[in-house]
Amino acid sequence: ETGVTQTPRHLVMGMTNKKSLKCEQHLGHNAMYWYKQSAKKPLELMFVYNFKEQTENNSVPSRFSPECPNSSHLFLHLHTLQPEDSALYLCASSQQREVTDTQYFGPGTRLTVL
Amino acid sequence: GQNIDQPTEMTATEGAIVQINCTYQTSGFNGLFWYQQHAGEAPTFLSYNVLDGLEEKGRFSSFLSRSKGYSYLLLKELQMKDSASYLCAVTDSNYQLIWGAGTKLIIKP
Repeated sequence: ETGVTQTPRHLVMGMTNKKSLKCEQHLGHNAMYWYKQSAKKPLELMFVYNFKEQTENNSVPSRFSPECPNSSHLFLHLHTLQPEDSALYLCASSQQREVTDTQYFGPGTRLTVL
Repeated sequence: GQNIDQPTEMTATEGAIVQINCTYQTSGFNGLFWYQQHAGEAPTFLSYNVLDGLEEKGRFSSFLSRSKGYSYLLLKELQMKDSASYLCAVTDSNYQLIWGAGTKLIIKP
């Protein structure tokens, strides 16, 4: 247990569906992150929130929409996804948005787009 | 461009020692992380090196040479539970975290 939970753990959706991924951290951290992990590829940073404000969006397509209502919760809203979006989506948190701070990861949501 | 290189896969025997290498070419350097990720689980923090030398933590040690752009993770007295992927990540001069693709370590009895 890392103190970061994600739901659902597995998700299968069609290209026309709308779904949301949820992340919650119980560590009192102020920064939260969404990553995409594809097989045999490096982690891809998607979004960063620091004190509930989005500070980074690494050229992510608009079919991915993040939401951070408070420092403990982070959502990733999905709509009209493509099969190449199938991957493991990881949430992480750290004390601050200082990259030298250790990031704590959730177990991920395994997403399959049909 | 920025690049982190790690072997894709390694195999070792239970009780033995294994060294997982990581070389990096980044725009500046502000530290290097090692994470462990078991299949289907979250990556978990193992070590952080910012100065040259060896950092020992139980059975695991991490080494850094900034002049060579090189690090390794050394695992001693291997156990079956050490079967996992090991991720190397470097913080560049813009404080961006650059990740390697990970090394899958397979431990055989």
